[in-house]
Amino acid sequence: AQTVTQSQPEMSVQEAETVTLSCTYDTSESDYYLFWYKQPPSRQMILVIRQEAYKQQNATENRFSVNFQKAAKSFSLKISDSQLGDAAMYFCAYRPGGGADGLTFGKGTHLIIQP
Amino acid sequence: DAGVTQSPTHLIKTRGQQVTLRCSPKSGHDTVSWYQQALGQGPQFIFQYYEEEERQRGNFPDRFSGHQFPNYSSELNVNALLLGDSALYLCASSFPELSYNEQFFGPGTRLTVL
Repeated sequence: AQTVTQSQPEMSVQEAETVTLSCTYDTSESDYYLFWYKQPPSRQMILVIRQEAYKQQNATENRFSVNFQKAAKSFSLKISDSQLGDAAMYFCAYRPGGGADGLTFGKGTHLIIQP
Repeated sequence: DAGVTQSPTHLIKTRGQQVTLRCSPKSGHDTVSWYQQALGQGPQFIFQYYEEEERQRGNFPDRFSGHQFPNYSSELNVNALLLGDSALYLCASSFPELSYNEQFFGPGTRLTVL
């Protein structure tokens, strides 16, 4: 079975600084997708960024980027120029390739933005 | 374009009762997945419905059952409620023909079992 581990229950960063959230996963699959989701206090889960395992290039979405290390099974999220609106729970998630499977989530990292 | 909607927002039940939660997918989506998120935890996959059939199931007992209707909306039913069933129940919809099959989440239903 696949597992996703987020070893940082809570992280704190000053506004405008950069923060990196860690995620490791375990799988025997070669084709899969990785995601970072954001869950603000309002509860609605929002996709931040995704990475296809077959792509060597790290995904980037504006201030959000990932460091995908396939051999190490590591998938960290970097948030640059942190903003107060970035405060939320962040979940790393995994899905095997093929389209039919549910997501496997980590336990989440609570990100605090200090003004 | 309405996103994923869920009802009710909150629900309080007692042990042994049965509950039904409802989900309407995002327009154009035909697949619905259900997740249970206990307090302080990440969501756990319950099951997924496609073409009115359960396509995949996570590690949940048979007390958890579901249904998908021809309009793609879905219900999650939980029988013989236990205290441990208290959680936020999330519904997510997707369109699997997209290669990355992004799942869009609803706001959730908070279930409290007393």
